Amino acid sequence: KAGVTQTPRYLIKTRGQQVTLSCSPISGHRSVSWYQQTPGQGLQFLFEYFSETQRNKGNFPGRFSGRQFSNSRSEMNVSTLELGDSALYLCASSLENRVYTGELFFGEGSRLTVL
Amino acid sequence: TQLLEQSPQFLSIQEGENLTVYCNSSSVFSSLQWYRQEPGEGPVLLVTVVTGGEVKKLKRLTFQFGDARKDSSLHITAAQPGDTGLYLCAGGPAGGANNLFFGTGTRLTVIP
Repeated sequence: KAGVTQTPRYLIKTRGQQVTLSCSPISGHRSVSWYQQTPGQGLQFLFEYFSETQRNKGNFPGRFSGRQFSNSRSEMNVSTLELGDSALYLCASSLENRVYTGELFFGEGSRLTVL
Repeated sequence: TQLLEQSPQFLSIQEGENLTVYCNSSSVFSSLQWYRQEPGEGPVLLVTVVTGGEVKKLKRLTFQFGDARKDSSLHITAAQPGDTGLYLCAGGPAGGANNLFFGTGTRLTVIP
């Protein structure tokens, strides 16, 4: 079955602009999580959506937002971009597991460069 | 913030050697996962351990979850060039939430 698809794969923006990244989860997966990966901070959790509701949120400023649609596709938005927002943004989908964290299936990521 | 420290940060070994990667935290986790990430790709799950003291073996890879559920190790026997990649441990909170706390990563290079 098709994996997690993220678009765009690469993009370049300038400071102050905004960006929207898209994620299509594996069919049947209703949970979508977003992570930011940078060389200095590693992988950090941004937020998780389940059935169109934000279920968890990481420690990022309000400039980072997201949403999930009824078909489980998700988007994340970063407004007023800063140089430090340059990173690989990874989306992961999973089946719900109420006991412990299940397997996260990651996409290939969207690499954002802010100039 | 729940921090997971991995050691070593970088590891370069010859094909056929054994190695161990450590993942340590002062926090208790409900589960501990190990992922491997290759350049240009997202992380891929290798294993999930959920019970303190649990040991799981996958071919040449052995994973252990500490008794107190604060630490874990990954041991690779007879490393092969295909094992090259970034190894990440990730601690899972209680209740099945997907806000994993990822470790700092270990970049492994296996030289043929």
